[in-house]
Amino acid sequence: GESVGLHLPTLSVQEGDNSIINCAYSNSASDYFIWYKQESGKGPQFIIDIRSNMDKRQGQRVTVLLNKTVKHLSLQIAATQPGDSAVYFCAENMTPGGGNKLTFGTGTQLKVEL
Amino acid sequence: DARVTQTPRHKVTEMGQEVTMRCQPILGHNTVFWYRQTMMQGLELLAYFRNRAPLDDSGMPKDRFSAEMPDATLATLKIQPSEPRDSAVYFCASGRGTGGNQPQHFGDGTRLSIL
Repeated sequence: GESVGLHLPTLSVQEGDNSIINCAYSNSASDYFIWYKQESGKGPQFIIDIRSNMDKRQGQRVTVLLNKTVKHLSLQIAATQPGDSAVYFCAENMTPGGGNKLTFGTGTQLKVEL
Repeated sequence: DARVTQTPRHKVTEMGQEVTMRCQPILGHNTVFWYRQTMMQGLELLAYFRNRAPLDDSGMPKDRFSAEMPDATLATLKIQPSEPRDSAVYFCASGRGTGGNQPQHFGDGTRLSIL
């Protein structure tokens, strides 16, 4: 029979272009957010995090933006490379104060075209 | 780089058999998490520990699943008896649970198939 699973949104970008992956989170009390990258056959890999007292944080080629007003998180990847192809997950800490219990989004598939 | 180590990487067994998955957290991390990932449900938290004590196992079917931390370097997740619907990838993650919010670091998972 036909298998049914989560339909991952897909973002296709050309190599060298910038990528923007978006995430809507659910809990206005969440105080900590993380972006993970998951390649096929591997576990989620930490990319960058941001606390709710910030609205922007930059890493190497990546920037995370947080808009608490509309509960929106985005991950920007500069000069996207083939090695960036993966599924990207946002996660929020829904236990404010350092409880470290994360809730993950469904993920976005990033495909980098040569 | 320090890594979370999970064994076995793959497990295929028949329904009704006991399955034990093991995790070695990163040295110095005091929180350990077990997740299950499936196409249908995505990434779900099953249980987590802080300083080896279980804090939350509400995501875990209690009748057949059990999670323990015999010592600070080993976490186990057991399924007995296993069922085909348990087929999934099981991830362990560890983190520093004190000093404010800290990221969790994941192992590469155990891919479990129950026939």
